Amino acid sequence: AQSVTQLGSHVSVSEGALVLLRCNYSSSVPPYLFWYVQYPNQGLQLLLKYTSAATLVKGINGFEAEFKKSETSFHLTKPSAHMSDAAEYFCAVDNTDKLIFGTGTRLQVFP
Amino acid sequence: GAVVSQHPSRVICKSGTSVKIECRSLDFQATTMFWYRQFPKQSLMLMATSNEGSKATYEQGVEKDKFLINHASLTLSTLTVTSAHPEDSSFYICSASRDINTEAFFGQGTRLTVV
Repeated sequence: AQSVTQLGSHVSVSEGALVLLRCNYSSSVPPYLFWYVQYPNQGLQLLLKYTSAATLVKGINGFEAEFKKSETSFHLTKPSAHMSDAAEYFCAVDNTDKLIFGTGTRLQVFP
Repeated sequence: GAVVSQHPSRVICKSGTSVKIECRSLDFQATTMFWYRQFPKQSLMLMATSNEGSKATYEQGVEKDKFLINHASLTLSTLTVTSAHPEDSSFYICSASRDINTEAFFGQGTRLTVV
């Protein structure tokens, strides 16, 4: 079965600093991987997805993620954090047509 | 982009009553819809997958008689929490996709509080 592990339930950065949210996957087949963002009391919004094309995936709001098979990782990054990036971020893997989510990472951005 | 709407966004009900949550795909036909439950500060747990016109497939540990799912049309799925109890209080989120292999779009969620 496929699964994802998000390291760090909370990440705090200063505005303008690099954002790095970690996600490692476990899969016996080439995975489809996703990053979603959730703002308080709202549903999920897709940031980006990897579907076995380019290993560096660019998403919305300046986020990107790199698929590294050797490290079984799909970390999410953004060069410069903005206050509006404060939210909960979920990594997910497509497990036979249903999404399996990680436990989430709450990003705080300080001025 | 594709829009999925959930209604209501918040609901408070008395213990022992039933409550229905609607999930609508507003600008596309969704052959597959998913229902998730999210506890405070936790991840989303898939409850069931529903395909239009057929019975929902429930995940292990989810009581199908308690969480009734109906997907009668290509734009509407409903989740009914029957005989609700305080432990059913949670954030329920649906997602919808055109078919099983395409991107799923999420609703804004429904916060259920059972008192």
